[in-house]
Amino acid sequence: DAGVIQSPRHEVTEMGQEVTLRCKLISGHNSLFWYRQTMMRGLELLIYFNNNVPIDDSGMPEDRFSAKMPNASFSTLKIQPSEPRDSAVYFCASSFRAGARNYNEQFFGPGTRLTVL
Amino acid sequence: GDSVTQMEGPVTLSEEAFLTINCTYTATGYPSLFWYVQYPGEGLQLLLKATKADDKGSNKGFEATYRKETTSFHLEKGSVQVSDSAVYFCALQDFGNEKLTFGTGTRLTIIP
Repeated sequence: DAGVIQSPRHEVTEMGQEVTLRCKLISGHNSLFWYRQTMMRGLELLIYFNNNVPIDDSGMPEDRFSAKMPNASFSTLKIQPSEPRDSAVYFCASSFRAGARNYNEQFFGPGTRLTVL
Repeated sequence: GDSVTQMEGPVTLSEEAFLTINCTYTATGYPSLFWYVQYPGEGLQLLLKATKADDKGSNKGFEATYRKETTSFHLEKGSVQVSDSAVYFCALQDFGNEKLTFGTGTRLTIIP
């Protein structure tokens, strides 16, 4: 089975440009998580969805960031306009949640390394 | 709120040495505990987990025991290999909540 797929793997852009990161969930999974990883701040949860509905977006840095799930298997994270401080590795992860369980394993994609010049 | 504190890195060991990476947590409920590993250039992978007190998670020679009395989940391996070089993250997940709270990560380098 294919794992979580992210594209692009690397993105270099100039300050002020719009950036769109893409993620395809593992087939059958219904929860989607976007993380950002930097040396300074470590791994931060930006937002997560369950059944296409945003559940917690408290980690989204500011209005320049937006995330969507246009369908059950796909998500985008958009940054507009981008700034140099947005440079980071962005991961998405998916899991399957069925009611209240004692844990839900998250499966991570390989990440998108974003550089904003 | 929930938090995870992990041993600061980086950690450098010789091959076949004993490894311990400390992890302690703060949580209001009864969390599940995890160790994730990130190899260079890759995403995180689940290494092992424990879902209740006194459970021992194990995988690939690594072990960690859920200690509720000390709120700890220390990662151990008896004999490390060069291929174990990676960044290791301790994490917790509250019951019924999908959100993972991660520690800062510990970079481990094993030298031959």
